[in-house]
Amino acid sequence: AQSVSQHNHHVILSEAASLELGCNYSYGGTVNLFWYVQYPGQHLQLLLKYFSGDPLVKGIKGFEAEFIKSKFSFNLRKPSVQWSDTAEYFCAVNAPNNQGGKLIFGQGTELSVKP
Amino acid sequence: DAGVIQSPRHEVTEMGQEVTLRCKPISGHNSLFWYRQTMMRGLELLIYFNNNVPIDDSGMPEDRFSAKMPNASFSTLKIQPSEPRDSAVYFCASSLVQINSPLHFGNGTRLTVT
Repeated sequence: AQSVSQHNHHVILSEAASLELGCNYSYGGTVNLFWYVQYPGQHLQLLLKYFSGDPLVKGIKGFEAEFIKSKFSFNLRKPSVQWSDTAEYFCAVNAPNNQGGKLIFGQGTELSVKP
Repeated sequence: DAGVIQSPRHEVTEMGQEVTLRCKPISGHNSLFWYRQTMMRGLELLIYFNNNVPIDDSGMPEDRFSAKMPNASFSTLKIQPSEPRDSAVYFCASSLVQINSPLHFGNGTRLTVT
């Protein structure tokens, strides 16, 4: 079965620090990959997605992610975090042959940014 | 577009009572998903529908849980009888599967069973 692994459960950074959150998935075929963000008390919102093409994907709010097929990874990065980036971040995968387009989510990484 | 609409936002109930959570997907979306979020287990997919038909309910924890989608614009998730361990945030999400669109989530229902 497909699975998604996020290695960091809680990351604490100071403002302006660089961010990289790890994500690895288990499926060996063609995949669609997503990063979602959940701000405190809110619902999940899409940060960025990868379907095909350029493996370096840019999303909203200065976030980007790189798909490395050989490593089954889709790490999220941001060069300089802000206090407002404090949230929980979820990596998700969907295989096109997965009926209905369901997403499998990682456990999430909580990011705390100190001002 | 109003997005995915869930109701109620908060539900507090006593153990043994029936709980019904409601979801209105984005108009035109043909897939609907119910997720449960807890501190211990993170986001769990409970069940999802394509074109109002349940496709995979393997994530439904017990027979106490049931979900229906009588039409393209409405779905319910019912727990009967409820138990304290059902306390969680329940999210509904919808998508347009044909073009691999991402999931759009509702604001969730925070359920507390005492």
